Amino acid sequence: DAGVTQSPTHLIKTRGQQVTLRCSPKSGHDTVSWYQQALGQGPQFIFQYYEEEERQRGNFPDRFSGHQFPNYSSELNVNALLLGDSALYLCASSLGGGGPDTQYFGPGTRLTVL
Amino acid sequence: QKEVEQNSGPLSVPEGAIASLNCTYSDRGSQSFFWYRQYSGKSPELIMFIYSNGDKEDGRFTAQLNKASQYVSLLIRDSQPSDSATYLCAVRGQNFVFGPGTRLSVLP
Repeated sequence: DAGVTQSPTHLIKTRGQQVTLRCSPKSGHDTVSWYQQALGQGPQFIFQYYEEEERQRGNFPDRFSGHQFPNYSSELNVNALLLGDSALYLCASSLGGGGPDTQYFGPGTRLTVL
Repeated sequence: QKEVEQNSGPLSVPEGAIASLNCTYSDRGSQSFFWYRQYSGKSPELIMFIYSNGDKEDGRFTAQLNKASQYVSLLIRDSQPSDSATYLCAVRGQNFVFGPGTRLSVLP
């Protein structure tokens, strides 16, 4: 049973650049959520995708955008990178359509902005 | 802004003792409550979830929920050094909201 996978593992970018992170959900899951986790803090919810649409969004600027594909995989795009965007980006998958929405996390992508 | 609060710790307990981790939340509409464990440099790992008032046990772990007090806790019995990690409380209301985590250190 394949778990949640994310790529790349690490990424180094410079300010002003754009980045795309990728996530494949756990087998059988149809919902993908993205989180940003700064050092020493809990994960902060960015947005959630279900049925290829953004279903919910946290308090993040429009520089953060995403997409979900028909196979339920997802991308997170961040434009005009700032130093403060340096963080661990986590993808979590779950089974949508109601219920407790138990989320399982991937290994994360460590983004460093210089 | 809906909030989830946890003591940041570190909480230090001797090996074999019971570790008690606490979490309070502000959104009375919250429906589901989760505990995750996160080792340094790794992603969060689900320990257990609870959505009814009372206790839920799974091995050495017991989650306790009191919706009237907006309080959820995690007890770890017979704590082991391998339990040393940051424990994240997450609450599902409109969105998924995580607390800042409590760092637990189990001393051999």
